[in-house]
Amino acid sequence: SAVISQKPSRDICQRGTSLTIQCQVDSQVTMMFWYRQQPGQSLTLIATANQGSEATYESGFVIDKFPISRPNLTFSTLTVSNMSPEDSSIYLCSVGQGAPSGANVLTFGAGSRLTVL
Amino acid sequence: GQNIDQPTEMTATEGAIVQINCTYQTSGFNGLFWYQQHAGEAPTFLSYNVLDGLEEKGRFSSFLSRSKGYSYLLLKELQMKDSASYLCAGMDSNYQLIWGAGTKLIIKP
Repeated sequence: SAVISQKPSRDICQRGTSLTIQCQVDSQVTMMFWYRQQPGQSLTLIATANQGSEATYESGFVIDKFPISRPNLTFSTLTVSNMSPEDSSIYLCSVGQGAPSGANVLTFGAGSRLTVL
Repeated sequence: GQNIDQPTEMTATEGAIVQINCTYQTSGFNGLFWYQQHAGEAPTFLSYNVLDGLEEKGRFSSFLSRSKGYSYLLLKELQMKDSASYLCAGMDSNYQLIWGAGTKLIIKP
């Protein structure tokens, strides 16, 4: 399965600032996914990033707040803009790959734990 | 609406067996996934069921009943390293994953 490097692993940020999270995959993938995981809650899909086109955002997430870049098939960034304490969360990137069972299995990066003061 | 329900927390004893249940409601169905997530780490894939029945993989097994909208993950011969959160996720007709909040499994010696 793919190996994903994600950074930063954690950061403490001030309200009103922006932070960019980077995700590097060791193989070329068509789609990359950005998730948010708040403590004790389920994974929530923020957006799907395709190379060469605009990201597709899920309900409740907008490009102005979470701009995404996907310059090539192995790399993506997610920016959390104008942060507030409500943005404190773990942000995960992931890629999907076919498995022998026929499932599209997700592999996740280690996550970026953001704390906004 | 779409929903995944699983218990918040379970406790079991080292060497024992534990069953983590998951009920799902999705718009259409394209399979049920289980992931394991150790504290502070990324989720890792455990199993996938799309047909009714039991899939066994070493100490872990996963069961699916599509008619009941029900799945369980069975962990045998529990080890301390099995202490983790177990995430259930259903895939809907659009191949979107609907995630449960996870079951935190605590293993006691």
